[in-house]
Amino acid sequence: DAGITQSPRYKITETGRQVTLMCHQTWSHSYMFWYRQDLGHGLRLIYYSAAADITDKGEVPDGYVVSRSKTENFPLTLESATRSQTSVYFCASRIDYRTDTQYFGPGTRLTVL
Amino acid sequence: AQSVTQLDSQVPVFEEAPVELRCNYSSSVSVYLFWYVQYPNQGLQLLLKYLSGSTLVKGINGFEAEFNKSQTSFHLRKPSVHISDTAEYFCAVSDRTSGSRLTFGEGTQLTVNP
Repeated sequence: DAGITQSPRYKITETGRQVTLMCHQTWSHSYMFWYRQDLGHGLRLIYYSAAADITDKGEVPDGYVVSRSKTENFPLTLESATRSQTSVYFCASRIDYRTDTQYFGPGTRLTVL
Repeated sequence: AQSVTQLDSQVPVFEEAPVELRCNYSSSVSVYLFWYVQYPNQGLQLLLKYLSGSTLVKGINGFEAEFNKSQTSFHLRKPSVHISDTAEYFCAVSDRTSGSRLTFGEGTQLTVNP
């Protein structure tokens, strides 16, 4: 039972490059989420998706793009990375609108030089 | 909109001592409340949640939390901590109407010393 996986676990890139962080879940959960974790801010929601082809902005969406063509995958793309996007990124999933618990992946540590 | 304030950024305690991690929230609507734990280099795990009913909620690893509506608080407690409880703890809320979004506090680093 793999659950929810993220890749890569660590990534170093340069300012201006495009970066895609992958998230895959094996549970067929309807909802998926992307958060970033920064010191002093806790976790902040970037984007979420209620189902395939349905996405919505969270608290800090600027500079990020998401897509969800398949239920199990929810990639997050930084179209032109900036130093302020250096962070730890967490993907999460939730069964459906009737449930409340989110399940988190192990995280991706991204450094933008 | 909701907000969460975790009143202590760091809490050092000795092993077998009791601990309380404080969480206050603000919301114009009814909320669900959660505590998550993050061990070093790992994702978040659900510790416990309050949805309705009894205001005292028991979670995993001997933790419990009490919902106090009048004080808008959801403090986490454990009567006797272990070294293995060293982790970061996050309080979170979601509103009952949409339920989609979790709003997190900034986290409390609990360090248990021998």
